[in-house]
Amino acid sequence: DIQMTQSPSFLSATVGDRVTINCKASQNINKYLNWYQQKLGEAPKRLIYNTNSLQTGIPSRFSGSGSGTDYTLTISSLQPEDVATYFCLQHNSGPYTFGAGTKLELK
Amino acid sequence: QVQLQQSGTELVKPASSVKISCKASGYTFTSNYMHWIRQQPGNGLEWIGWIYPGNGNTKYNQKFDGKATLTADKSSSTAYMQLSSLTSEDSAVYFCAKSFAYWGQGTLVTVSS
Repeated sequence: DIQMTQSPSFLSATVGDRVTINCKASQNINKYLNWYQQKLGEAPKRLIYNTNSLQTGIPSRFSGSGSGTDYTLTISSLQPEDVATYFCLQHNSGPYTFGAGTKLELK
Repeated sequence: QVQLQQSGTELVKPASSVKISCKASGYTFTSNYMHWIRQQPGNGLEWIGWIYPGNGNTKYNQKFDGKATLTADKSSSTAYMQLSSLTSEDSAVYFCAKSFAYWGQGTLVTVSS
């Protein structure tokens, strides 16, 4: 199974900050990497698919990058409504696997 | 718009089974993979398997082989997941997700005597 190591597990930042979250795969996942946002008690919402494609309706402050085994989600200017848990998903090969999540809060 | 409406909270006894539903609307049900995912506090998210409603083909995470059974009813655009031989370790929120793009609201399953 492909293991997804996500970091950091917890992040505290100020409104307007640039925030980055990382996922490292245990092997090449060919850019088949999605990013999700999950607010408390809600279903996950897809932000980015296939490394860098922005889901329709998601603000442009969210972006993704990476290749091979290393991937990054960036929030260019943190907003209060971005407080949530973020996680990655590799869908290159089964069993598909998720990162453990990053809990983002406001400082 | 795409909507996935899951069935409600389940409180079930150990060793029993439960069947969760996921009613789809807003897209062609038969032409998209439906995934099922488990979320447990402290254990994160785990992919259970997928079903392709168009032909009923399924693929499971080996971890859930024998635990989960995925089916789909084309006439009602509803996907189902049956979980069997339940133990307290199966207590979790279960999600359906169309092609990993759109997710249902989740179904809480609590296994307790």
